[in-house]
Amino acid sequence: GQQVMQIPQYQHVQEGEDFTTYCNSSTTLSNIQWYKQRPGGHPVFLIQLVKSGEVKKQKRLTFQFGEAKKNSSLHITATQTTDVGTYFCAGEGYSTLTFGKGTMLLVSP
Amino acid sequence: GAGVSQSPRYKVAKRGQDVALRCDPISGHVSLFWYQQALGQGPEFLTYFQNEAQLDKSGLPSDRFFAERPEGSVSTLKIQRTQQEDSAVYLCASSLVGRGGRDTQYFGPGTRLTVL
Repeated sequence: GQQVMQIPQYQHVQEGEDFTTYCNSSTTLSNIQWYKQRPGGHPVFLIQLVKSGEVKKQKRLTFQFGEAKKNSSLHITATQTTDVGTYFCAGEGYSTLTFGKGTMLLVSP
Repeated sequence: GAGVSQSPRYKVAKRGQDVALRCDPISGHVSLFWYQQALGQGPEFLTYFQNEAQLDKSGLPSDRFFAERPEGSVSTLKIQRTQQEDSAVYLCASSLVGRGGRDTQYFGPGTRLTVL
């Protein structure tokens, strides 16, 4: 079945440093979504990418969808303590939305 | 309602007990999804409804798991004869129209099930 892999599993940065998480799918995706889950919270939708090579920005967050529509990345510039949480990518192939295991981000002030 | 609500928020069951988890989607949302999230893992798809029709139940791990949405609104996920491996957070999500990525999924707070 479809598999979505995310790296790294965990990253600890100092406030102001950049952060990137990578997502790779075993199959071509129709679209990819990114979610953020705060500790003890539930996943909150951030963005959806649909087109090959698409790049979208939300303030300090930059999302990319690979040309082959099998990989994606989320880059945060100048992290803040409010960025703490686990970032999940979720890919949709033929039908089901498959989540990666997430990257947990810790930001020290 | 303002968002997806789930009840109970926490449930402790003895092994072998049956449990029922409730999801109230956002009013007017056609699609409803159930996910299981184990500690340190991403949500894993269980089942999907479009209105009252259960269109995909391929993620249900065993026949002990059963979900329904009889009137196309509230949904219940039932787990019979609970086992320790069923311990997880059960998340419900709803979306306005389409399935998966065609429409944003809004997640509820989840029900944390602990089976002793």
